[in-house]
Amino acid sequence: ILNVEQSPQSLHVQEGDSTNFTCSFPSSNFYALHWYRWETAKSPEALFVMTLNGDEKKKGRISATLNTKEGYSYLYIKGSQPEDSATYLCAFRGSGTYKYIFGTGTRLKVLA
Amino acid sequence: DSGVTQTPKHLITATGQRVTLRCSPRSGDLSVYWYQQSLDQGLQFLIQYYNGEERAKGNILERFSAQQFPDLHSELNLSSLELGDSALYFCASSVGTGAYEQYFGPGTRLTVT
Repeated sequence: ILNVEQSPQSLHVQEGDSTNFTCSFPSSNFYALHWYRWETAKSPEALFVMTLNGDEKKKGRISATLNTKEGYSYLYIKGSQPEDSATYLCAFRGSGTYKYIFGTGTRLKVLA
Repeated sequence: DSGVTQTPKHLITATGQRVTLRCSPRSGDLSVYWYQQSLDQGLQFLIQYYNGEERAKGNILERFSAQQFPDLHSELNLSSLELGDSALYFCASSVGTGAYEQYFGPGTRLTVT
């Protein structure tokens, strides 16, 4: 059974703090890893699609790195703002399949 | 607005009934994915279609079926509904079957009473 784990489950940070969280996935047969931002009462919004080992992607204050050999990806948020409050989800896809396995998410609350 | 539409937004029905959820992908997207979000579970992949053909099946029950039509819209049919089928059902679309961004619709909230 393939497992995708995210940590921490939730965290509270102060406005202006930088933070990061982890997505762990199977290190063999990697195809792609997706990161999503999911605000309450809305639908998941795509942040990054990562495919290559060592990939680093950035969108504004949010960036992500990928290590397929050891099976993890980090999402970083620099200078957190209250509007960054959301659940951050990762989804793993192995090679030879079209199926996606989602982690349970990291719930971020940024306090003003 | 992702460009993906789902109808209806909310659906309340009784156990044993059958419902159809509808999804229209973003213009130009050929792939459609269906996901289920239950109260106590994360997002679960149900099924994927690409240009009218089924490409992958996830944890989809036999009571559930889906199809993608020539105009690329998709329908998810849920039959013999049980209380445990109450969930938020999302549809997402992408341009193809590779590692492309998926755009999620607003979801359909199904309540089975």
